[in-house]
Amino acid sequence: SQQGEEDPQALSIQEGENATMNCSYKTSINNLQWYRQNSGRGLVHLILIRSNEREKHSGRLRVTLDTSKKSSSLLITASRAADTASYFCATDLSGNQFYFGTGTSLTVIP
Amino acid sequence: EAGVAQSPRYKIIEKRQSVAFWCNPISGHATLYWYQQILGQGPKLLIQFQNNGVVDDSQLPKDRFSAERLKGVDSTLKIQPAKLEDSAVYLCASSTGSNTQYFGPGTRLTVL
Repeated sequence: SQQGEEDPQALSIQEGENATMNCSYKTSINNLQWYRQNSGRGLVHLILIRSNEREKHSGRLRVTLDTSKKSSSLLITASRAADTASYFCATDLSGNQFYFGTGTSLTVIP
Repeated sequence: EAGVAQSPRYKIIEKRQSVAFWCNPISGHATLYWYQQILGQGPKLLIQFQNNGVVDDSQLPKDRFSAERLKGVDSTLKIQPAKLEDSAVYLCASSTGSNTQYFGPGTRLTVL
């Protein structure tokens, strides 16, 4: 399976702390994306990092990509209760065909 | 800009019955995806359309699942007959080909 694997499966932190979640994948990619899914809702695109990029920032989000290790990390700084959600990485192998990981469930405690 | 629309939002059926889901993508989005998301897992791509042509349906269980996008706009996904293991959320997404997918709210299917 080309599906990625997120780690940890679940994460619980206090509001204001940073949250880090990781994604590992198996094959070469064009790009990697992170999505957020609130309970019972659809997925929302957060950030895209291309295979020739190593780090990208968007607001409180920081994404890194290490193609040699086939891994990516998502850092959410100064977390808020509203960040409580499941986070998925999605790898684009080619032709805009996406394979999602298993997700990290983040709980931010007020 | 209106988002991706899906209906129904919820559906409960008996096993061996048939069910159909509808998706209307964002206007102008040529690419449309159907995903199956089983509880506790990530979305699994079932089928990808580019306009009204199929790009990838390698993970679609073709003995019971079918999908069409006849006019290159809205799409339907059908399951016939349904099995217990088909219980999941069925997500539709669309994109312009710029890599960012926009997801609808999903249809939660329960097969009893």
